[in-house]
Amino acid sequence: GQQVMQIPQYQHVQEGEDFTTYCNSSTTLSNIQWYKQRPGGHPVFLIQLVKSGEVKKQKRLTFQFGEAKKNSSLHITATQTTDVGTYFCTMYSGGGADGLTFGKGTHLIIQP
Amino acid sequence: DGGITQSPKYLFRKEGQNVTLSCEQNLNHDAMYWYRQDPGQGLRLIYYSQIVNDFQKGDIAEGYSVSREKKESFPLTVTSAQKNPTAFYLCASSIMEGGTGELFFGEGSRLTVL
Repeated sequence: GQQVMQIPQYQHVQEGEDFTTYCNSSTTLSNIQWYKQRPGGHPVFLIQLVKSGEVKKQKRLTFQFGEAKKNSSLHITATQTTDVGTYFCTMYSGGGADGLTFGKGTHLIIQP
Repeated sequence: DGGITQSPKYLFRKEGQNVTLSCEQNLNHDAMYWYRQDPGQGLRLIYYSQIVNDFQKGDIAEGYSVSREKKESFPLTVTSAQKNPTAFYLCASSIMEGGTGELFFGEGSRLTVL
């Protein structure tokens, strides 16, 4: 089956520094979604990428989908304390809910 | 306000007991899902349902059961056959078939087996 690798598992940054998390799949994807989960909370949808090479921006967040549709990244510019949480990618290879695989997440810890 | 409601938020269970977690949505979504989250792990799919009176097993269905008698409701029963039930359980729904649309999550139910 599909394997998803998300790195790093933990990232400590000083407030104001940039942050990037990466997801890689062993298979070509139909789409990728990104979610954020605050400590003690539930995952909240951020964005979905569908097209090869797609780049989308949400304020300080930049999302990219690789040309081969096997990898993706989330980049946060100038982190703020409100960015604290775990960022998950979910990779979809088709075939219904069975084809949706969550990465293990990257825990972002911000030091003021 | 539309959303997904899970209850209870916290639940303690003795070994050998079955327990049922509630999930209700008023988003008029056809698809509903149950995920399990363990520390340091991604979400793993337990069961999903795309239509009333129909559901499919996910990756870790053993020891769990579900029903979908109404569009709005998708309860999960954690049975005594589940060997390691302590976890955070998340219910979700989506407009479209899983993987092709945004997942809306409930606030979760944290189950602890004593």
